[in-house]
Amino acid sequence: SQELEQSPQSLIVQEGKNLTINCTSSKTLYGLYWYKQKYGEGLIFLMMLQKGGEEKSHEKITAKLDEKKQQSSLHITASQPSHAGIYLCGASPFGNQFYFGTGTSLTVIP
Amino acid sequence: DGGITQSPKYLFRKEGQNVTLSCEQNLNHDAMYWYRQDPGQGLRLIYYSQIVNDFQKGDIAEGYSVSREKKESFPLTVTSAQKNPTAFYLCATKGHRNTGELFFGEGSRLTVL
Repeated sequence: SQELEQSPQSLIVQEGKNLTINCTSSKTLYGLYWYKQKYGEGLIFLMMLQKGGEEKSHEKITAKLDEKKQQSSLHITASQPSHAGIYLCGASPFGNQFYFGTGTSLTVIP
Repeated sequence: DGGITQSPKYLFRKEGQNVTLSCEQNLNHDAMYWYRQDPGQGLRLIYYSQIVNDFQKGDIAEGYSVSREKKESFPLTVTSAQKNPTAFYLCATKGHRNTGELFFGEGSRLTVL
């Protein structure tokens, strides 16, 4: 299976601060997905990266995939309490199989 | 509304009992998945199905069983052989778009007493 390691495991930030979450793969990524999960709920798709060096943004969240396609970062600018939750990266290396990272729990203190 | 419905949302069972979690979708998606999530951990793949009457084991299939008799439905049975069944279970489908992302239900929390 694809190994996806996320760091940090948990993060506590003051509202308004910037933060970065990393996702590292043991294999080349041919599609890297970022999801957000509110506690006790399903996952919400944020964005997907495919090409080396690709960068996408949605509102205050920016995701990047490195040139070697083995590492991705998710950056949140000026964090808000609404950003709190668990962020997971995912990949689909073989056909319809889909694997997820270990998750990063984000707490934003007002 | 189109979506994925998981039921029940909360379930309590005694040790040794089999439990079936329901997952129904009206998105007309072919592929469906079951994941297990434990506190502080990511999602682990239990089973997935690409088409009706076909399914494959994921990384932690032992103690679980599934069926895929209809495109819309992919129920998961947690059997008494599953050593540590208390967890949050998530069902997902895969869409037809080029991005290939998964769509998730709201989850079912199973507690075995």
